[in-house]
Amino acid sequence: TQLLEQSPQFLSIQEGENLTVYCNSSSVFSSLQWYRQEPGEGPVLLVTVVTGGEVKKLKRLTFQFGDARKDSSLHITAAQPGDTGLYLCAGGGQNFVFGPGTRLSVLP
Amino acid sequence: ETGVTQTPRHLVMGMTNKKSLKCEQHLGHNAMYWYKQSAKKPLELMFVYNFKEQTENNSVPSRFSPECPNSSHLFLHLHTLQPEDSALYLCASSQEWPRNTIYFGEGSWLTVV
Repeated sequence: TQLLEQSPQFLSIQEGENLTVYCNSSSVFSSLQWYRQEPGEGPVLLVTVVTGGEVKKLKRLTFQFGDARKDSSLHITAAQPGDTGLYLCAGGGQNFVFGPGTRLSVLP
Repeated sequence: ETGVTQTPRHLVMGMTNKKSLKCEQHLGHNAMYWYKQSAKKPLELMFVYNFKEQTENNSVPSRFSPECPNSSHLFLHLHTLQPEDSALYLCASSQEWPRNTIYFGEGSWLTVV
């Protein structure tokens, strides 16, 4: 069974700070997705990465897929209150599995 | 506008009621899903339909009954629910099951009283 772990589970930072959240597994994934979910809403897809070592940027967000395709990171530069939400990673492989999420709070 | 729409967005029902959640996807996908998300718990996959055939049922109680009349529509029929069934129910779709990226609807908030 493929499992994804995310760390940290909770993160509270001040506006303007940088942060990195992680998604790890002992399994290899053919692709990895990051979603952001705001309270009371469905998760919204941010990015898909498919190649080991791949780096994608989305404005202030930088996503990296590990070389071995077992892990990924999401780095946010100069966080803003609008970045607040639950960040979920999901992996495509034998099945499509979700991690438990990192709950981020950016305080003004 | 999201490619996956869910109605109603909010539902309050008594334990003896029968209600249904509806989901429609406009993405031309062949797989549709129901997930449950409770407070402070990870997403729980409930049901998967691939090309209108149910392929996954993760030990969901029979008081939840899915229906998939075609690849664009998915229903979740609810009857004699319990208060602990109160949660956000998310519909999603993907090109196919199991490997493709999943796109979610906005969710239906269910409160059982």
